[in-house]
Amino acid sequence: DTGVSQNPRHKITKRGQNVTFRCDPISEHNRLYWYRQTLGQGPEFLTYFQNEAQLEKSRLLSDRFSAERPKGSFSTLEIQRTEQGDSAMYLCASRQANQPQHFGDGTRLSIL
Amino acid sequence: DAKTTQPNSMESNEEEPVHLPCNHSTISGTDYIHWYRQLPSQGPEYVIHGLTSNVNNRMASLAIAEDRKSSTLILHRATLRDAAVYYCILRDVQGGSEKLVFGKGTKLTVNP
Repeated sequence: DTGVSQNPRHKITKRGQNVTFRCDPISEHNRLYWYRQTLGQGPEFLTYFQNEAQLEKSRLLSDRFSAERPKGSFSTLEIQRTEQGDSAMYLCASRQANQPQHFGDGTRLSIL
Repeated sequence: DAKTTQPNSMESNEEEPVHLPCNHSTISGTDYIHWYRQLPSQGPEYVIHGLTSNVNNRMASLAIAEDRKSSTLILHRATLRDAAVYYCILRDVQGGSEKLVFGKGTKLTVNP
């Protein structure tokens, strides 16, 4: 059990640029989640995958956001045309059925 | 989403027990009570969960009121490494949603 891995740990970009984050879940965890956390707040749910199928999406996931999980293993979260309000920590979690969610340490996004 | 209420902050001394309260007066019969904690610069970490009976694990104990409208996370001997934000979360296992709904949690300070 090597834990949930997220890359990069930090990303600084200019407003309007596209960014992509990667999440490698714990092996054999078929469920994968993305959350966003802003300063002083708890994490907010964005989306959920079971294997390669995206089964749940929050209304926070605007048209500029897209998440994929090809082959049901790693996942990517892309933000297009970044805005100042996208600055946050993006967290990934995974789990097996009947087990709690295990979180990675997140990717911190800063928009200049 | 069922709501929980926690104090914004609490303080404890090292090696003393800590009781972290959580109110959830609108809890439904199928809501599990989950506790996660988040250390600085890390993702949330699962602590414990329960439905009706009190639960113990190597990290903590969870005491659930008989009417289930409140619960208490008990750290038996606080250490400096227990300083974190603690989140009390309700999850309806029959509700069809996989998301965890985090509030602002309780920031625990442990004094040496």
